[in-house]
Amino acid sequence: DTGVSQDPRHKITKRGQNVTFRCDPISEHNRLYWYRQTLGQGPEFLTYFQNEAQLEKSRLLSDRFSAERPKGSFSTLEIQRTEQGDSAMYLCASSSEKYSFGYGYTFGSGTRLTVV
Amino acid sequence: SQKIEQNSEALNIQEGKTATLTCNYTNYSPAYLQWYRQDPGRGPVFLLLIRENEKEKRKERLKVTFDTTLKQSLFHITASQPADSATYLCALEVKSTFGDGTTLTVKP
Repeated sequence: DTGVSQDPRHKITKRGQNVTFRCDPISEHNRLYWYRQTLGQGPEFLTYFQNEAQLEKSRLLSDRFSAERPKGSFSTLEIQRTEQGDSAMYLCASSSEKYSFGYGYTFGSGTRLTVV
Repeated sequence: SQKIEQNSEALNIQEGKTATLTCNYTNYSPAYLQWYRQDPGRGPVFLLLIRENEKEKRKERLKVTFDTTLKQSLFHITASQPADSATYLCALEVKSTFGDGTTLTVKP
């Protein structure tokens, strides 16, 4: 297992377009998280899955954002009608409920979104 | 809602010295606190986790303390090296609420 993979690494889109990002977590991890990070800030929590169930969503996640994890493995994050304020790094992380203490979260390298 | 603050945006130290980074939190009593390292353009990398009933935890040149009375964690890097230059983030449990990080620069 090579860790958490995110695709694409970079995405440039025009305002108003829809974009979708993919995250492949570590295979034995049942928890998956999405964060958004802007320059000079720490990651902001967006949403969290345990297996295929989306257990929590941040108030930051407006109705233009949706995330899925259909089979409890990979996850997608879709942003509809993108706005310039959506420009950020979108990070995915995974962890195991079984080993939650002592191991922290494993993050991917992120998808850098630029809305022009 | 819980709030987490890290002491300064930037910390510059000389190689070989000990770097000390501070993380303060309010409105919460976390069961544990985590520290991560983040390099430019990369995702955070987990370093250490300390539980509320642990006063101190060490890993190689890293040491973390956790004072639940002061609601504070200190992160120390001893014998610092230029390769330690990065942004260090602390995070509370539960959805890992992150601080904004302290950017450490170790000068040779």
